[in-house]
Amino acid sequence: GQQLNQSPQSMFIQEGEDVSMNCTSSSIFNTWLWYKQDPGEGPVLLIALYKAGELTSNGRLTAQFGITRKDSFLNISASIPSDVGIYFCAGRNSGNTPLVFGKGTRLSVIA
Amino acid sequence: DSGVTQTPKHLITATGQRVTLRCSPRSGDLSVYWYQQSLDQGLQFLIQYYNGEERAKGNILERFSAQQFPDLHSELNLSSLELGDSALYFCASSPSVGLAGYTQYFGPGTRLTVL
Repeated sequence: GQQLNQSPQSMFIQEGEDVSMNCTSSSIFNTWLWYKQDPGEGPVLLIALYKAGELTSNGRLTAQFGITRKDSFLNISASIPSDVGIYFCAGRNSGNTPLVFGKGTRLSVIA
Repeated sequence: DSGVTQTPKHLITATGQRVTLRCSPRSGDLSVYWYQQSLDQGLQFLIQYYNGEERAKGNILERFSAQQFPDLHSELNLSSLELGDSALYFCASSPSVGLAGYTQYFGPGTRLTVL
């Protein structure tokens, strides 16, 4: 099946620093989604990207849909303690196909 | 709050038993998806229903089954439970039209512990 490679697996950063993480796929996706999951909770949708090259922001979060349609990036600016959690990327080919998830990036913020 | 509800929040049972997990999608969403998340694992897609009909199947064991009812709520049935079935089980729903149909909104999950 399709695989998403998400990196890095984990990050330890100082409060106030910017963060970058990315996802790459061996095949093309028509949609890229970024989710954040807190321990024991369900993933929360952060940003949805629908077009190659699209750059979308949600507060301090910015995500981009790669031109090749095989990758996506998420940046978090000026990190704060509540940014701690696991960030998942997910890709989808069409409205009728299931999401394919990356294995997540675990973010820790040191105050 | 995503608008997707799941019950129960926690479930503890013994090996060999059968349990039912319940999900109510967001108002108006016709698609329901079930995922399994084991410790330190990503989300594994199990099965999708659209307006009462099975639409796609992932790595769902034969011991597991699901259905979506006319009121659009869905149930995931897990039988002959094994220790390895202990996991978080998530339900997600998505809108049915336009680009929004490409996104999924997740419920809070059911934590299943098999002893």
